[in-house]
Amino acid sequence: QTVVTQEPSFSVSPGGTVTLTCGLTSGSVSSSHHPSWYQQTPGQAPRTLIFNTNIRSSGVPDRFSGSILGNKAALTITGAQADDESDYYCVLYMVTAMVFGGGTKLTVL
Amino acid sequence: EVQLLESGGGLVQPGGSLRLSCVATGFTFSHYTMRWVRQAPGKGLEWLSAVDLSGSLTYHADSVKGRFTISRDNSKNTLYLQMNSLRAEDTAVYYCSKGGGLHYFDYWGQGTQVTVSS
Repeated sequence: QTVVTQEPSFSVSPGGTVTLTCGLTSGSVSSSHHPSWYQQTPGQAPRTLIFNTNIRSSGVPDRFSGSILGNKAALTITGAQADDESDYYCVLYMVTAMVFGGGTKLTVL
Repeated sequence: EVQLLESGGGLVQPGGSLRLSCVATGFTFSHYTMRWVRQAPGKGLEWLSAVDLSGSLTYHADSVKGRFTISRDNSKNTLYLQMNSLRAEDTAVYYCSKGGGLHYFDYWGQGTQVTVSS
């Protein structure tokens, strides 16, 4: 069974840049997986950030960007702000299923 | 404005059933794939089910296949999740989501809590 992998936690300084990744235990992530990224703060519903690898959802600041880096999907936050402290989830499209990664808890300090 | 309002959650005993509903407003419901996602306490998000535009094609995660059934009523702009043979591990917040095309989740409801306990 293929599992989607994410870093469990990451830390970034205010104003800094951080790249979160999304991989597969077997194989490489490509644009055909249509990687998407979601932000969630405790007690709230998820918010869609990025879809189809690198398209920002409506209203998402341009400090959030998506890409494929090597064999993984990546979410880069440039100029991190305090309210970026959240959980971040990637999702890969597998035709008959959509698979979430385990999420990355991002701390801004 | 797109709005998704889930209902039907609550406390149920193991082995019991619940039907969740999600009323959609602010978009042409029949034009979009719809999905259910859940989040167990302190855990990550888990995709559960998807239904195509007409309701004729459905997909379910292995963890709920044979127990949960997704459906939709386009005349009522409503998405459903029938949950049978509930287990303690089904305890979670259940979210409905509008599909942004086939490949991603576009909008999310606020969720409804399901607790399976005796």
